[in-house]
Amino acid sequence: EPEVTQTPSHQVTQMGQEVILRCVPISNHLYFYWYRQILGQKVEFLVSFYNNEISEKSEIFDDQFSVERPDGSNFTLKIRSTKLEDSAMYFCASSGPGPSSRNTIYFGEGSWLTVV
Amino acid sequence: GENVEQHPSTLSVQEGDSAVIKCTYSDSASNYFPWYKQELGKRPQLIIDIRSNVGEKKDQRIAVTLNKTAKHFSLHITETQPEDSAVYFCAPNYGGATNKLIFGTGTLLAVQP
Repeated sequence: EPEVTQTPSHQVTQMGQEVILRCVPISNHLYFYWYRQILGQKVEFLVSFYNNEISEKSEIFDDQFSVERPDGSNFTLKIRSTKLEDSAMYFCASSGPGPSSRNTIYFGEGSWLTVV
Repeated sequence: GENVEQHPSTLSVQEGDSAVIKCTYSDSASNYFPWYKQELGKRPQLIIDIRSNVGEKKDQRIAVTLNKTAKHFSLHITETQPEDSAVYFCAPNYGGATNKLIFGTGTLLAVQP
């Protein structure tokens, strides 16, 4: 069964450093997302991406964050100048391809980010 | 606003019993209602979903019922097994036309053998 894959699975970074989290969505999906989950809390929406542009973003997704689809298979989340409170599990997700299946969202295994 | 609540927050049942988790949402435009299961340290895994034109959907031991008028939907698990132990999240979409899921606060289900 096709899966969303993410790298790295775990990253430790110094406060103020830049981090790039990488994702390979399911191959025929057209809608891509990033969510995050702080330890012990619920999953929170960050951003959705379709047709090479952001379609929606949350209040959490401020200027510190950016997303990119650099080629036909990868989808990345960049966090500039990381803060302690950015420590969380970051989940990439995808859905599609058609309008009837765009709601059915599949998550990757997550990238655990620890900012020290 | 985006307000999604789940009850109960924790649920302990004996193996073989049934479990019911209720999700209440505030956005009347929501039209897609999934349930996700998350085991410790793992990804949220879609277990069942329902769309607003359907009142009930069943998949083996799992069912979801929707009351769109009252803005709540429920997860029903019958004949629970220890491997059903996990955190369960409802995640209705927000705004109807978007794919943005708003996750509930989660329910920790413990199935005692």
